[in-house]
Amino acid sequence: EAQVTQNPRYLITVTGKKLTVTCSQNMNHEYMSWYRQDPGLGLRQIYYSMNVEVTDKGDVPEGYKVSRKEKRNFPLILESPSPNQTSLYFCASRGQGGWIQYFGAGTRLSVL
Amino acid sequence: AQSVTQLDSQVPVFEEAPVELRCNYSSSVSVYLFWYVQYPNQGLQLLLKYLSGSTLVESINGFEAEFNKSQTSFHLRKPSVHISDTAEYFCAVSAQGAQKLVFGQGTRLTINP
Repeated sequence: EAQVTQNPRYLITVTGKKLTVTCSQNMNHEYMSWYRQDPGLGLRQIYYSMNVEVTDKGDVPEGYKVSRKEKRNFPLILESPSPNQTSLYFCASRGQGGWIQYFGAGTRLSVL
Repeated sequence: AQSVTQLDSQVPVFEEAPVELRCNYSSSVSVYLFWYVQYPNQGLQLLLKYLSGSTLVESINGFEAEFNKSQTSFHLRKPSVHISDTAEYFCAVSAQGAQKLVFGQGTRLTINP
């Protein structure tokens, strides 16, 4: 089954404690991206990757890092989380030349 | 750059009533348009898309949207809603040839029995 898998689904942490949210897709997609969803703001892009070792900032990259060492994986790293990063996060992927993004189920993060 | 405005943050309707969720976009270039749906506690799923051709596009569960270039709109409609349509709906736009997808703020559709 074609899917985008995020882990964990729920995470509660404290300010300053480094964390990683994993994202994996099994569709051999080149393009992957991370979004955060906040009430009244819709989805905003954090980072995206066009292919292995190619990443770039989206609209709200501050406080986040990403890496793309393998085509299927695109982890989101919060080196020093802060309460304003409390949000619902989505990973998405899309094939080259395709126009449909496939989304993971989401990761709800709370930073205390 | 592209932007999307969803004019209603919440839309309550009664079951079997018609509904329209409004979406307007801004772009200086030609675009592709999408509606995504997010059911409670789930990720986003593509509902329908406009890439080219007929300006009226339909989904398998009875929704339709019409691309209106002159009004820069892509409103979503359904003639008769069901309880199972309760969800948040996101309009999104992508410039043709570009990678980035820009989302609207979302509209929460609530169906009352």
